[in-house]
Amino acid sequence: SQKIEQNSEALNIQEGKTATLTCNYTNYSPAYLQWYRQDPGRGPVFLLLIRENEKEKRKERLKVTFDTTLKQSLFHITASQPADSATYLCAPSRGGADGLTFGKGTHLIIQP
Amino acid sequence: NAGVTQTPKFQVLKTGQSMTLQCAQDMNHNSMYWYRQDPGMGLRLIYYSASEGTTDKGEVPNGYNVSRLNKREFSLRLESAAPSQTSVYFCASSEYPTEYNEQFFGPGTRLTVL
Repeated sequence: SQKIEQNSEALNIQEGKTATLTCNYTNYSPAYLQWYRQDPGRGPVFLLLIRENEKEKRKERLKVTFDTTLKQSLFHITASQPADSATYLCAPSRGGADGLTFGKGTHLIIQP
Repeated sequence: NAGVTQTPKFQVLKTGQSMTLQCAQDMNHNSMYWYRQDPGMGLRLIYYSASEGTTDKGEVPNGYNVSRLNKREFSLRLESAAPSQTSVYFCASSEYPTEYNEQFFGPGTRLTVL
């Protein structure tokens, strides 16, 4: 069955550094991979999507890569700020209306 | 636009009681979803509705029923609540059939079953 793995432990990064989060998947061939941010007590919020034929996607301080050979996506936040502290979820997808399967998320803490 | 709204925000039930979680979206989206989120388990899909008039089971449908009342509203019903249904429930919507099914989530309902 499909399996999605994200760093299970919290990731502590010093303010100003680049934070890199990992999403690995097995038994699956997604056409897209989505990243969401979730703050405590709130629902997830969509951040970025990358397609299988794209190697890299950028949006402001965010960068996502997608390696279909390694079955891995990396999510980078450059010049990190304490306000970036949150849980980040990845969701590989084939498209379609049948909902998303999410990883368990990585809790990112940016320390001043 | 309010986006996706959910009621209630919090609820405490006793085992065996029933309740309905309400969800509404004002983005004219076709597809709607119910997820539950538990510590260590992540988000799991309970039911979804690809379009008005259709509903389908997700990963964890047992103990739940849904109704797509109209294009805006999608409710989740617990007929006989069990402690295992203690969770945070999120409703989401998407514009599917767009290309990649980006989802918009509500603020969640925190349910405790004693």
